[in-house]
Formats: sequence, structure tokens, C-alpha cells
Amino acid sequence: AQRVTQPEKLLSVFKGAPVELKCNYSYSGSPELFWYVQYSRQRLQLLLRHISRESIKGFTADLNKGETSFHLKKPFAQEEDSAMYYCALGAEGTYKYIFGTGTRLKVLA
Amino acid sequence: ETGVTQSPTHLIKTRGQQVTLRCSSQSGHNTVSWYQQALGQGPQFIFQYYREEENGRGNFPPRFSGLQFPNYSSELNVNALELDDSALYLCASSWDSYEQYFGPGTRLTVT
Repeated sequence: AQRVTQPEKLLSVFKGAPVELKCNYSYSGSPELFWYVQYSRQRLQLLLRHISRESIKGFTADLNKGETSFHLKKPFAQEEDSAMYYCALGAEGTYKYIFGTGTRLKVLA
Repeated sequence: ETGVTQSPTHLIKTRGQQVTLRCSSQSGHNTVSWYQQALGQGPQFIFQYYREEENGRGNFPPRFSGLQFPNYSSELNVNALELDDSALYLCASSWDSYEQYFGPGTRLTVT
């Protein structure tokens, strides 16, 4: 079965500390993986996708097929990073997204 | 270029009633997907339309139906509303890619 697991509902870190938001997936095909972010009172927006291998707002994520993970990382958290983060799996051949339950990141001053 | 818009923002319905939610896709996008997001959960895929044809469906009963129009706007219809249908309904549009652009959502409350 296709599934995305985000084990932490809430992650609190201090400003300047490293951040790692965990995402594990279950999928038998070749996955497309994404991180979406939702800032307070804003809509869901794409943060990054694994095939682009970009760094957006200092965040990176590496697809590890062996561990079926796509963890989101940032070396130094900023207060404006506080938001809800969703990991999503794109099912091959369709545009169907399977979302995780999300992790709320709180960056403390 | 305009973003994805949804209407209404909020609405309250009674169990057993029917509801229609609307979505206007981002300019130039030919694909629209609908998601249900219950409180504390991630969005769950309902279905997707591509050039006015259904292009995939999640685990939702047939009382959830949709339409996509030639201008690529879209509707989600839910019949025989149940209390568990209370949720935020999101639409997302895209153009032949996995990058979906989400609307702000419609919050439906069923009493």
C-alpha cells in the first residue's frame, strides 16, 4: 500500500539550531516526493521536489530509496520557518498525491 | 497570472443535504485535483480531472462527484452529507506536471 509517514506531530527547535523533519514512505514503484509548507493563514505551497535537487529557503531533502525516506533538513533554523510541513508522494503515472499527516515546526527565539 | 481560487470560503450544511464547491484553476492549467483535509490530518486525494475527464479517484464513495468545465474551472459535489464530511476541501491545479498549486480551501461543516 502507498503510504507516507511523518512520525512527529510537533517539532520545536531553537533559532539557529539544525532542523530535520522526518518522512518515510511506502511505495512499490518509482516515487516522486515533495515537501509542501503551510505558513499561518496561507495556502499549501510547494517547498521542494526531489527531482529538482534544489535548496529552497535553505532547506534540502535527499531521497534515500534504501531507507525509503525523504527527510527535510536545514542547518540553521529561523523563526520564519515556523509552519506546518507536509511530505507528499506522487503516484507514478498519475498526479495523485498521498500526503503525510504533517509536522508542525516551531522555531523558538 | 491568477492563482487558484475557491468558493465559498465557509459553509454549514445539515446531514443529508447536498453541497457544491467550486474551484477556479490557475490560468493555463488543464488538471484539477480535489482533496479532503480533516482536522489534524494531511490532505486526502478525492479525485482528479484532466481536460474534463476523471483521471483517477481515491477511496471516496460515489456520492462524491465532480465536473471540470472547458475553461478548466471545477466543481466538487457531495450528496447525502454525513457528519464525517466536515472538513477543509482543497482543490489544486497543474499543467502536465506534478507541481500542484493549491487553493485556500472551503471549510465545510455538517451538523
